[in-house]
Formats: sequence, structure tokens, C-alpha cells
Amino acid sequence: QVQLQESGPGLVKPSQTLSLTCSVSGNSVDRGPYYWSWVRQAAGKGLQYLGRVYTGGRTDYNPSFRGRVTISLDTTKNQFSLSLRSVTAADTAMYFCVKYIDSWDAFETWGPGTMVAVS
Amino acid sequence: QSALTQPASVSGSPGQSITISCAGNYDDIGTYDYVSWYQQHPGKAPKLMIYEVSHRPSGVSVRFSGSKSGNVASLTILGLQADDEADYFCCSYTPTDRLVVFGAGTKVTVL
Repeated sequence: QVQLQESGPGLVKPSQTLSLTCSVSGNSVDRGPYYWSWVRQAAGKGLQYLGRVYTGGRTDYNPSFRGRVTISLDTTKNQFSLSLRSVTAADTAMYFCVKYIDSWDAFETWGPGTMVAVS
Repeated sequence: QSALTQPASVSGSPGQSITISCAGNYDDIGTYDYVSWYQQHPGKAPKLMIYEVSHRPSGVSVRFSGSKSGNVASLTILGLQADDEADYFCCSYTPTDRLVVFGAGTKVTVL
């Protein structure tokens, strides 16, 4: 059974880069057809898709974040990561890493989430 | 791609049935069957309930069903139970621009 776990700093200063890692167990990140994705949720708000990386390394990003976001795979560690540059208080949120199944077109398995505050 | 529109809240008594709507447009829900639904209890990660409009993942109760008509997708919960009280989000994927978008969420209250 696939499990995902987010890790990274819980506090980031404005204008700096938010960096998170998602450790995957039970599934190799280089075996698909899956997308490894990031979704965030501000307190009391809805879900917001940031982007995803395919098992082959191809990436898709939400245009709202294009230019600020990078998602990448580390197959040696079976992890994938999120980098969000030039953060502001508006980027304060719970960040979830998620396995997206291409054949289902859905986010199947979610990590528990990690809270990141920008201050 | 515009956001999906959901009602802010829906309520029902135990045993009743409720339906949550998710309105998109022709370019997303109207053309593609790439609609999924997620249940989120407070303080928890979302859980996939329905994918590709009407398919249930293994382990999801048969009381949950999905459908679509035109530009509107719907999630129906039969025989409402206390544990169904949660937030529900719809989601649509558009392959032309490879974009995923979520609805704002619907809070389901069991009276």
C-alpha cells in the first residue's frame, strides 16, 4: 500500500523559497503511470492544485504559480519535491503531496499534509 | 480555466439522501468525464470518493455515487450517516491544457 509523507520547514520568511519533500513508500516514483503532485489548502479554504511531475519527469504546473514553482523527482531516494519561490503570506497553507493516477484522472493517495507558515 | 461552482453547504437528516452539485463549463465538465470527488474531515487529508464521474475506488461505500449532466457533475449520498459530515470537493481535469481545478467545497451537515 502506497504511503506518502511530507517534510520540510514549517516556517519560511517572505521572499524566500519554500522547499518541501515527499517520501514515498510502497511504490517507486519512477514506475507509472502516475503523477506525483502537490496540492495546498489555506486555513478554512478550498484545495489548490500547484502542479505535478510524471514518472518520466514531465511536469505540469498551475498557471497561477508558473514561474514560481518547480516539482521534481529524486528516484534515488524515492522522493519528489516542491520548490515555491518568492513566497508571501498568501502562501501560508497546509501542503499535501498526492499520488495522481493517470488512468483514473484522480488524486488517489494523499499524504497527511504539512503546515507551512510564511512570516 | 474557471473554477468549479459548488454550493457552500448542504444538510440532511440521518437516513436521507443528499446531492451536491459541481458546475463547470463546456470546456471541462461538459466535454470530459474527468471529474473526481473528495471527502475531507476536519484536520484530515482529503479522501478520493469518486473518479471519472461515477467510478468508486475499492473501499468506498456504495452509498456514494456520481453522475454528470451537461456541464454539471453531482455527488449523491444515500442513507446519510453521521460520519458523512465533512467537506466535499469536486475536481476536474482538462487534457487540452493539462490543468486540474477544484471546486470551493461543500460542507455537508448531518442534522
